[in-house]
Amino acid sequence: AQRVTQPEKLLSVFKGAPVELKCNYSYSGSPELFWYVQYSRQRLQLLLRHISRESIKGFTADLNKGETSFHLKKPFAQEEDSAMYYCALKQTSGSRLTFGEGTQLTVNP
Amino acid sequence: EPEVTQTPSHQVTQMGQEVILRCVPISNHLYFYWYRQILGQKVEFLVSFYNNEISEKSEIFDDQFSVERPDGSNFTLKIRSTKLEDSAMYFCASSDDRLHQHFGDGTRLSIL
Repeated sequence: AQRVTQPEKLLSVFKGAPVELKCNYSYSGSPELFWYVQYSRQRLQLLLRHISRESIKGFTADLNKGETSFHLKKPFAQEEDSAMYYCALKQTSGSRLTFGEGTQLTVNP
Repeated sequence: EPEVTQTPSHQVTQMGQEVILRCVPISNHLYFYWYRQILGQKVEFLVSFYNNEISEKSEIFDDQFSVERPDGSNFTLKIRSTKLEDSAMYFCASSDDRLHQHFGDGTRLSIL
């Protein structure tokens, strides 16, 4: 069965510092990976997906199949990046998302 | 930007009672989902729905649960006889491509 692990429940950085939110997965097939973000009192929103290879709000994530990881990175964190971040996996077939536990990112001034 | 809307935002129900959670997906979307998040735990998939039938369901989605699209706009989740452990935040989502799922704000269900 597929599984997504986010080892850090809480992550705190200072404004302007680099940030990396870790995500590891286990799945025997070819996964599709996503990062969702939930700002305070707002809904879950798609931040980015690995097949798009895009950068959203300065965030990037690279799928590393060798390490089964999909870490989310930003070179210079901003206070408005403070939010809950969820990594999610979709199997090759079907459309259910399997979520990680989430990482609460706090960017301090 | 169109949004998924869920009602009510908070539902309090006595154990053993039936509850219906309602969702209005984005209008041109064809794929619909329910997820739940028990306090302090992961967001968990419950069920997906396409072409008026369940396309996938998890082991959580047992006979106590059912989904329906009664009128072409609403998408409902019914829990027949609620248990204490059904207390959770329930999220509805919809998608037009099965890749980008748009989530609602959620309904907090409290079972007393």
